[in-house]
Amino acid sequence: DIVMTQAPLSLPVSPGEPASISCRSSQSLSHSNGNTYLAWYLQKPGQSPQLLIYLVSNRASGVPDRFSGSGSGTDFTLKINRVEAEDVGVYYCMQGLQTPFTFGPGTKVDIK
Amino acid sequence: QVHLQESGPGVLEPSQTLSLTCSVSGASISSGRYCWTWIRQPAGKGLEWIGRINPRGDVNYNPSLKGRLTLARDPSIDHFSMRLLSVTAADTAIYYCARCVPVGDWGCESFDFWGQGALVTVS
Repeated sequence: DIVMTQAPLSLPVSPGEPASISCRSSQSLSHSNGNTYLAWYLQKPGQSPQLLIYLVSNRASGVPDRFSGSGSGTDFTLKINRVEAEDVGVYYCMQGLQTPFTFGPGTKVDIK
Repeated sequence: QVHLQESGPGVLEPSQTLSLTCSVSGASISSGRYCWTWIRQPAGKGLEWIGRINPRGDVNYNPSLKGRLTLARDPSIDHFSMRLLSVTAADTAIYYCARCVPVGDWGCESFDFWGQGALVTVS
């Protein structure tokens, strides 16, 4: 199985400040078709996870442009340009390259 | 808008069989474009992918559950389901159904719509 790791696991942020979460995979998530199968999800308190980013850097429908994804191969980053109160929750990265699809342990973002 | 809704027993005893159904509206599970998947989350913990079924009915299972898990679909009523045999306390979790944007027969680009989750307690 591909193992996903994230850092930090906890991230207190002041409103309006930027935030960055790192995700690493145990093997490259790049496919010969040119795509890289890394997605990001946010699980707000008491809610189901929601898709934020797919294929490393593509924002899902309705996701604010303060969220951005980058990276390649095995190293990826999710950045929040200016954190808002509604951004609190647990952020998960996920690999979709091969089954079993696996998630990172999650990064809990809360407001200072 | 696509909507998914899980339904299930809530509480089970050890060794029983867990059966969960996901009802889909706003999309057809036999449309040929998407896969349909199950994911679970023990209380206070992370996400575990369980398995998926594609429009042809082909399935992929997490090896950690293989032998106990069966996924099925009923396109006539846009439902898909899972059965997990011989449950233990370790199977206690919130179970989510979700739509998967597939990549061929091997990958998944994303889970773009999720149900609200069904809490299953084995006790």
